[in-house]
Parts: sequence; C-alpha cells; structure tokens
Amino acid sequence: AQSVTQLGSHVSVSEGALVLLRCNYSSSVPPYLFWYVQYPNQGLQLLLKYTTGATLVKGINGFEAEFKKSETSFHLTKPSAHMSDAAEYFCAVSVHGSGNTGKLIFGQGTTLQVKP
Amino acid sequence: DTAVSQTPKYLVTQMGNDKSIKCEQNLGHDTMYWYKQDSKKFLKIMFSYNNKELIINETVPNRFSPKSPDKAHLNLHINSLELGDSAVYFCASSQLLGTQETQYFGPGTRLLVL
Repeated sequence: AQSVTQLGSHVSVSEGALVLLRCNYSSSVPPYLFWYVQYPNQGLQLLLKYTTGATLVKGINGFEAEFKKSETSFHLTKPSAHMSDAAEYFCAVSVHGSGNTGKLIFGQGTTLQVKP
Repeated sequence: DTAVSQTPKYLVTQMGNDKSIKCEQNLGHDTMYWYKQDSKKFLKIMFSYNNKELIINETVPNRFSPKSPDKAHLNLHINSLELGDSAVYFCASSQLLGTQETQYFGPGTRLLVL
C-alpha cells in the first residue's frame, strides 16, 4: 500500500531564502508523485508531478522537486522564497495496483510561512 | 471562466438536516472526485466517477450519496447531518481516469454543522 509522510507540519523561512519541504513515500511499485499547493480559502493547484523519466521535475512558480528512489523521497524546493509562496503544501502519491482508479493519497500537509 | 465550480461556497446547517453540494466542471473531463478536508487539513478521497460510473467509494457512511447526472456534474447529497461532517468538501476533475492524471480542484464548500 502507498503512503506519504511530510516531515514538518510548519516551515518558516525569510523572504529570499531557500524553501525546502520534505516528502517521503512508501510504495511497492514505482510511484507517481505530486505536489499540490493550497492558498488560503482556495482549492488545491498542481505545482508539479513525477511520473516517469527525468527525476528532477520543474513546476510552476519556480518550484522543483527531485525523485530519489534510493531515499524514497520527493522533496520540494525553491531557491528564493517570495511572500506569495505562503500557503499549505501537500505531497501526494497515486495508488497503483488494484485498478487504475486515479486515487491520490495525500500527506498531512506543510504550512509554509514566509517572513519579510 | 471557472474550471471546477462548487455551490454553495459556505453551508451552515443544523444536525439532522439533509443538504446537497453541487459541482460542475467545464473542462470536458471524464473523471470527477469528492474529497473531504478535516479541521487539521487532512485530505481524503470519498468518491470518484468516470463517465458517470462510480469508480471509488471509500469507507464513507451511506448517509453520503454522490450523483452524477452527466459527465460534467457530480453532486454530493448528505442525509442526517452530524457534527463530525463539518469539514471542507472539495470537488475535483481529471481529463482521464488514471494514476498519472492531474486533478483540478474546485474552491471548496465549507460545511458547518451546528
């Protein structure tokens, strides 16, 4: 069974600093991994996803993530934080195996605070 | 143009009432989903439909009944509302049914049961 763990429910960085949000997954088959962002009082929006191919994935708003199979990780980074990056970030894995259902398993979320 | 829309945005109601939440997508997608986000922001899938056919039905109380009149709509009806049903409910859609598909989320319906 697939699962996702996000380390750190709350991350605080200064504007212009590196953003690093951690995600580890558990999957018995090659995983498909996603990062979604949720701005206050809004729905989720896809930042990026890894399915196959290049392990370094670039997304919107300057974010990127690297799939590391040996570490079972898919950490999200951004070189320089902007105030507008303050939001809730969710890592997710899609469920393979019994049917092609598109079911997503989400991590518990990480709140990113950006200080001026 | 709103890709995935939900109505109402806010819903405050008494325990025991029956309520519905509507979802519409204008993306031409085949698959639609309902998620529940609790007060700790944990997101869990409830249902999914593909071309009006029920695909995923998680261990949700049978007080919750989804209905898909057509591919563009997936409504959620909740009977005999309980305090624990208070949450944010998100509708989402994806172009196809599949594990690689990007899901597009609506803005959410904030349900408060008193």
